[in-house]
Amino acid sequence: GENVEQHPSTLSVQEGDSAVIKCTYSDSASNYFPWYKQELGKGPQLIIDIRSNVGEKKDQRIAVTLNKTAKHFSLHITETQPEDSAVYFCAASYGNNRLAFGKGNQVVVIP
Amino acid sequence: DVKVTQSSRYLVKRTGEKVFLECVQDMDHENMFWYRQDPGLGLRLIYFSYDVKMKEKGDIPEGYSVSREKKERFSLILESASTNQTSMYLCASSLGFLGSNEKLFFGSGTQLSVL
Repeated sequence: GENVEQHPSTLSVQEGDSAVIKCTYSDSASNYFPWYKQELGKGPQLIIDIRSNVGEKKDQRIAVTLNKTAKHFSLHITETQPEDSAVYFCAASYGNNRLAFGKGNQVVVIP
Repeated sequence: DVKVTQSSRYLVKRTGEKVFLECVQDMDHENMFWYRQDPGLGLRLIYFSYDVKMKEKGDIPEGYSVSREKKERFSLILESASTNQTSMYLCASSLGFLGSNEKLFFGSGTQLSVL
């Protein structure tokens, strides 16, 4: 099956700075890579996703980049705000209708 | 917006009890999923269903079963709860197959404690 590694496990940034979370995957057939944000006491919420036919996608302060050759993808958050503090999960599609998730990354934005 | 509703936010059960976790989605989605979330382990797939009465094992199905009698409802069953099944359980749904052009939407989760 697919193996998704996510790092760093915890990331602290000053408000206004950028945050970058990186993930690697093992299955070269994976073609869909979503990112989820989970706030305390809530379920994961999809914030952005990318498919293997593009290298970058942007939505306001959030962007995702994909390097298929190296099998890694990254989430970039610019101009971080306190409400960006949460756990972020990356995932990669594999097999029949499945997503493999990374272990999560705690982002703390310091005001 | 898609709404995935899990019937209980917190649940406390005793070892050996039969436990039902219920999930309902309101967007006529074909696929429904059950994950468990544990600290340091991320989300792991227990079972999923791609149609009524159809189911497929995920990565950690042992000790669990599922039921999908109606399209909008997907139940996770712990036949005989054990302490190692204490976890956050997340239900999710998608309109079509992931990896095509579809997205996965989660409920708020059920924190199950087995004593």
